[in-house]
Amino acid sequence: SQQGEEDPQALSIQEGENATMNCSYKTSINNLQWYRQNSGRGLVHLILIRSNEREKHSGRLRVTLDTSKKSSSLLITASRAADTASYFCATDVSSGSARQLTFGSGTQLTVLP
Amino acid sequence: DGGITQSPKYLFRKEGQNVTLSCEQNLNHDAMYWYRQDPGQGLRLIYYSQIVNDFQKGDIAEGYSVSREKKESFPLTVTSAQKNPTAFYLCASSPGTHEQYFGPGTRLTVT
Repeated sequence: SQQGEEDPQALSIQEGENATMNCSYKTSINNLQWYRQNSGRGLVHLILIRSNEREKHSGRLRVTLDTSKKSSSLLITASRAADTASYFCATDVSSGSARQLTFGSGTQLTVLP
Repeated sequence: DGGITQSPKYLFRKEGQNVTLSCEQNLNHDAMYWYRQDPGQGLRLIYYSQIVNDFQKGDIAEGYSVSREKKESFPLTVTSAQKNPTAFYLCASSPGTHEQYFGPGTRLTVT
């Protein structure tokens, strides 16, 4: 089941601009994670935000979480051509020791030089 | 891609044949996962394993089988019962914290 849904499906911006991607989910979560995937490659973990956190920063990345609206956003500031990739949110709704993630369908970001 | 290897990168098979995809990790992680990704889609969980000799079905386990005889290895067999096996297959591992570490993937084409 697809717990997370990203919006928009595709985003094209100029280098130097900020990129914002949104993720909505349906059930209560332990944490929400964002991953990046370059074309034809594996995913790379970017950032994790716990359900009791509202905002988190890592370098040029800023993630917010609104549990009342069941939504999260990923902001990439001062984008670069190398940021071109697909970005996925993944929700952790695991109970006990069995950790599972449910991934959304992703946002394809293109940063034009 | 860290310490997770998947081989081969591309795999071609005829319909009706079983095929086994390799996944090896040297990260000493307990948990390992197999996902399937179709074009323009997110990842769907096939199987996962939290410990050696134990594994659980994910959302789309039908037509697939796995084994976990060693901590480092979690091979996935795509059987002839899988109706639409052509896809990109991703293996991941996790140390028991929350994030997962992914291999480079295997693109399987069945004709």
